[in-house]
Amino acid sequence: QQQVKQSPQSLIVQKGGISIINCAYENTAFDYFPWYQQFPGKGPALLIAIRPDVSEKKEGRFTISFNKSAKQFSLHIMDSQPGDSATYFCAASKGATNKLIFGTGTLLAVQP
Amino acid sequence: EAEVAQSPRYKITEKSQAVAFWCDPISGHATLYWYRQILGQGPELLVQFQDESVVDDSQLPKDRFSAERLKGVDSTLKIQPAELGDSAMYLCASSLAGTNNEQFFGPGTRLTVL
Repeated sequence: QQQVKQSPQSLIVQKGGISIINCAYENTAFDYFPWYQQFPGKGPALLIAIRPDVSEKKEGRFTISFNKSAKQFSLHIMDSQPGDSATYFCAASKGATNKLIFGTGTLLAVQP
Repeated sequence: EAEVAQSPRYKITEKSQAVAFWCDPISGHATLYWYRQILGQGPELLVQFQDESVVDDSQLPKDRFSAERLKGVDSTLKIQPAELGDSAMYLCASSLAGTNNEQFFGPGTRLTVL
């Protein structure tokens, strides 16, 4: 119940295309769903986050879509750029614990 | 821009030796986290501090791992003795106190156990 399942494991997208990464969870107590971006040799950095009271959140080229009934959420990267090439992790946490449960990561390669 | 500092960045050790990692969180961040990230996987929380108190160490292998944050500021994670399976990236993160505040990660320490 503590797992967050992420897919795909890797993704290749052409420059200008849309990158889509999906995550699913089981624990309905989760109430915070962030996405982190990690470049090689660096720690993860928060990209965008959503709470379950909204179905979509957009920040620039990055959008989270959230489906509470299906217990799924996804990251969409519009107009993907080579600089977006990185590993992306979804995560979830509940209540006051702040304990993030991470997905297994998606390695995104944006080809020029 | 304030950052989480970690040292060393890389550590190579032989099994059965002791290793220690240091983390200095962003000033004013009461909550500090240590994560372990195995290659190809997401980070896994080892221990979480609120000021100098441990609030979650359920995934910390306490027979060999220890963590402290004596004055509620910087923190040390120790492994003794190191095992081959401990090879991983050890990440430190910090956040403001409270619920679901953004966790800021340091660059990590890459540990290789030979």
